[in-house]
Amino acid sequence: AQSVTQPDIHITVSEGASLELRCNYSYGATPYLFWYVQSPGQGLQLLLKYFSGDTLVQGIKGFEAEFKRSQSSFNLRKPSVHWSDAAEYFCAVGGQNTDKLIFGTGTRLQVFP
Amino acid sequence: DAGVTQSPTHLIKTRGQQVTLRCSPKSGHDTVSWYQQALGQGPQFIFQYYEEEERQRGNFPDRFSGHQFPNYSSELNVNALLLGDSALYLCASSLGLAANYGYTFGSGTRLTVV
Repeated sequence: AQSVTQPDIHITVSEGASLELRCNYSYGATPYLFWYVQSPGQGLQLLLKYFSGDTLVQGIKGFEAEFKRSQSSFNLRKPSVHWSDAAEYFCAVGGQNTDKLIFGTGTRLQVFP
Repeated sequence: DAGVTQSPTHLIKTRGQQVTLRCSPKSGHDTVSWYQQALGQGPQFIFQYYEEEERQRGNFPDRFSGHQFPNYSSELNVNALLLGDSALYLCASSLGLAANYGYTFGSGTRLTVV
């Protein structure tokens, strides 16, 4: 079965602290992996994506993610969180020859000053 | 350059009614995909339209149907509304099929079924 698991429903961090959001996937073919961010009342904004090649990918807003095939994981990281990073984060998986994305249930990030 | 435009922003309907949601894709895009995002959930793929035809479909009943017009805009229709259809409906446009997910998402239409 194709699925994405984000085990952390809600994470709270202090501004300036490091962040890691977990994502595990199950996909029958070569996965394409994504992280999106959604602010209240907004659509989804792409942070970064992985198709192939270097397993450490850099995205916008200082985010990065590492693809670990052996662990079926694609965790999102940021070394120093800003208050403006508070939002909902979604991990998603897709594949070749399709435009269908399978999303996780999301992780809500709260940032305290 | 306008992004993806969805209308209306919010909508309240009664069980059993029908609803039509609209989406104008980003300029230069010709493919429209629709996603349903229930409260506290991630988006779920409903279907995709390209060249005025449904190209891919997710696990949604036939009550969900769509249309794409020659100008690439799209409509999502839901018949016989159920309380469980209450959700944020997201439209995403892209260029071509299987084009490595070059999606641009709209802000969505919030549908409430009472």
